[in-house]
Amino acid sequence: EIVLTQSPGTLSLSPGERATLSCRASQSVSSSYLAWYQQKPGQAPRLLIYGASSRATGIPDRFSGSGSGTDFTLTISRLEPEDFAVYYCQQYGSSPWRFGQGTKVEIK
Amino acid sequence: QVQLVESGGGLVKPGGSLRLSCAASGFTFSDYYMSWIRQAPGKGLEWVSYISSSGSTIYYADSVKGRFTISRDNAKNSLYLQMNSLRAEDTAVYYCARIPGPADYWGQGTLVTVSS
Repeated sequence: EIVLTQSPGTLSLSPGERATLSCRASQSVSSSYLAWYQQKPGQAPRLLIYGASSRATGIPDRFSGSGSGTDFTLTISRLEPEDFAVYYCQQYGSSPWRFGQGTKVEIK
Repeated sequence: QVQLVESGGGLVKPGGSLRLSCAASGFTFSDYYMSWIRQAPGKGLEWVSYISSSGSTIYYADSVKGRFTISRDNAKNSLYLQMNSLRAEDTAVYYCARIPGPADYWGQGTLVTVSS
């Protein structure tokens, strides 16, 4: 069973700054079946990235994903006001599919 | 456009039962795996169950195995979750999601509260 650990727990940044979020897996994630989601208060999560680095439909190019094996990164190149939210990684390469515990990106 | 609309949530006593439904539209429902994902108040996301497009492959999280049953009716474009022997720790928003791999579309969720 693959456990995902996200860091940091909270990231305090200002609009315009670069955000780097980490997701580390306890075992290799097969075929880079790693996704990232964004969730705002009171809303359902939204798929941002799948296959570790492919942007989902309609996702701005300031969001990018990278990594393979056990180490993955979500980068937001320049934070917009609407990007302050909680971000989750999730592996779907082997059952049970699991989410990380989340990283909150808050306004500094 | 793809729409997923959950219903059936509410307040139920410990040990009780509830059946959640998810009405899908805007895509060929019978082509996709579907899932239920939940989120306890103030907590993270937990995968509860998924079902293959034909219904032949089903997964349950250990936390609900033996108590919850997922099913689908492709003729009605609907997904279901029968929840029995409910516990306080099952209190959460339950989301229906389409999964061609990652969960690419989500409903808005339905709140299930288990309390006496």
